[in-house]
Amino acid sequence: GAGVSQTPSNKVTEKGKYVELRCDPISGHTALYWYRQSLGQGPEFLIYFQGTGAADDSGLPNDRFFAVRPEGSVSTLKIQRTERGDSAVYLCASSSLAGVNEQFFGPGTRLTVL
Amino acid sequence: GEDVEQSLFLSVREGDSSVINCTYTDSSSTYLYWYKQEPGAGLQLLTYIFSNMDMKQDQRLTVLLNKKDKHLSLRIADTQTGDSAIYFCAVNAGNNRKLIWGLGTSLAVNP
Repeated sequence: GAGVSQTPSNKVTEKGKYVELRCDPISGHTALYWYRQSLGQGPEFLIYFQGTGAADDSGLPNDRFFAVRPEGSVSTLKIQRTERGDSAVYLCASSSLAGVNEQFFGPGTRLTVL
Repeated sequence: GEDVEQSLFLSVREGDSSVINCTYTDSSSTYLYWYKQEPGAGLQLLTYIFSNMDMKQDQRLTVLLNKKDKHLSLRIADTQTGDSAIYFCAVNAGNNRKLIWGLGTSLAVNP
């Protein structure tokens, strides 16, 4: 497909467990973004990559959150020792570096920490 | 820090115009965006405006920007039931590519 895809679509885990969320951006998009969205809120920026490197990780809430993009395409968001407050929809977006920074969003991964 | 505020709800009758308002704090934002989110669907970019413009029209959509007051609005003409969704205002943070988002305005269109 031509859009941003995210897997899994839903993830239920127990408090204290480790989770990985995957994002496949649009082919050729250099920039990749992670946001999270809680119920009734707007997306909250977490991190963005330009190629393989994190250009801005100022939104990661604490050191339990980490993201990688080793080959400049697929990205994985990793959350250690999950807490109930981590429950949210995690959104991935990608964009080209040219033009108006139109960010194309995936459908999100709904994470529920019990 | 940067902040974006929107009214939370708007209800209109089918065929009327809808106006959704947004205020922001970061005067260095270069692009300002309106995204639409429908139930079960991803965020979709509706339109955007560059900070050196004060108006942009795109079919039924009109965006107005008052840079002095840091106020952005989205007008939807001839609103249809299919326009029912949550509309988000988002601005880039200075020269950064990350977006700062409002809470979203839930638009209900009544037949």
